Amino acid sequence: RKEVEQDPGPFNVPEGATVAFNCTYSNSASQSFFWYRQDCRKEPKLLMSVYSSGNEDGRFTAQLNRASQYISLLIRDSKLSDSATYLCVVIKVTSGTYKYIFGTGTRLKVLA
Amino acid sequence: GAVVSQHPSRVICKSGTSVKIECRSLDFQATTMFWYRQFPKQSLMLMATSNEGSKATYEQGVEKDKFLINHASLTLSTLTVTSAHPEDSSFYICSARDPGTGLDGYTFGSGTRLTVV
Repeated sequence: RKEVEQDPGPFNVPEGATVAFNCTYSNSASQSFFWYRQDCRKEPKLLMSVYSSGNEDGRFTAQLNRASQYISLLIRDSKLSDSATYLCVVIKVTSGTYKYIFGTGTRLKVLA
Repeated sequence: GAVVSQHPSRVICKSGTSVKIECRSLDFQATTMFWYRQFPKQSLMLMATSNEGSKATYEQGVEKDKFLINHASLTLSTLTVTSAHPEDSSFYICSARDPGTGLDGYTFGSGTRLTVV
């Protein structure tokens, strides 16, 4: 089983739609979680951190469910510019070093 | 914010040659840098952890003699793909964190697209 799993999509949604992605992780000891956005052939960029209490930033809401070991990202009022791949990231601590473990990413395409 | 500069952005080389990729932290000192590889439509896979002044730590399945990592200063890590073959063609990307930031402070270089012909 992969350490971090995501539905690769693609999710094709019309402008203005609400879309949600889930990500599951296997290591129950994971402490920190993030959503990154990656545009085609570019480096990933931090979208938002995921806190136990949830986190909202404008049209984006991230939530964490520790009991079920998944995190979610909700995008409201989708824009064309939201089209990208969304990467779920879980931090794993190994021998005192923090390592980012990436999911495969979920592709989103917002259609006009 | 913290900036990580990666060069070259794109390289095409002949099979059997070696390619060096540089990753620099521009406004902070990074004792640790991470090297990832991403094949098309796949996740970023951690290859190795580069440690300043000591040997790199490689992930399982990554050949340390093929992917040479040097982290000779607090602002520079290099990845050399030795005797490159077409199957090494991929997107290589580095990452580092300004120690003054939290765990969300990891910054990525812009990546290097390697094509081996």
